[in-house]
Amino acid sequence: DTEVTQTPKHLVMGMTNKKSLKCEQHMGHRAMYWYKQKAKKPPELMFVYSYEKLSINESVPSRFSPECPNSSLLNLHLHALQPEDSALYLCASSPTGGRGYTFGSGTRLTVV
Amino acid sequence: GEDVEQSLFLSVREGDSSVINCTYTDSSSTYLYWYKQEPGAGLQLLTYIFSNMDMKQDQRLTVLLNKKDKHLSLRIADTQTGDSAIYFCALSDPYSGGGADGLTFGKGTHLIIQP
Repeated sequence: DTEVTQTPKHLVMGMTNKKSLKCEQHMGHRAMYWYKQKAKKPPELMFVYSYEKLSINESVPSRFSPECPNSSLLNLHLHALQPEDSALYLCASSPTGGRGYTFGSGTRLTVV
Repeated sequence: GEDVEQSLFLSVREGDSSVINCTYTDSSSTYLYWYKQEPGAGLQLLTYIFSNMDMKQDQRLTVLLNKKDKHLSLRIADTQTGDSAIYFCALSDPYSGGGADGLTFGKGTHLIIQP
């Protein structure tokens, strides 16, 4: 299995909702990442987990809460989002040596 | 932090070679990547090069790295309509930050194929 699987593929949520994005990989990678990508822009790093511990938080607002329950799973919990948080959210994984980041196909999030 | 620059657009005729360029500022990058993104899709890893290499070839793709000038390029031979996409240059330095680091991306080059 050489894929990163993200669910759901599309999500529409209201500003008072709570939802979660899920990411799964079975490549044995011990580093996992969340990126946010706005239209026609490059991906921006949000969070990095290394060996299931949060190692980098790029000053992301607390309405985004990451969680890494085990080495194969990465979640992003969403609460009280704003319309400007609408974007494509990409999950990635890599060996901790960094070679060969693999990205999922993303969750397209719309906040209404 | 790292600054990565790319031209925003490149237009080529079908069958010609495409050369997409990328310049960067931080020479500590260990791996340098090229990703392809088609409309509405995620990122597809095309190829990567380790910083101690000058060139890597993989079928129609050739990556050149000039460390002195901090310049990375991707050449696509015999460009086809299916190559139309945005191409991102990305750099990592995974030996900082405890062995896992994020990627720093260029703004992306939109490759347009003319018939």
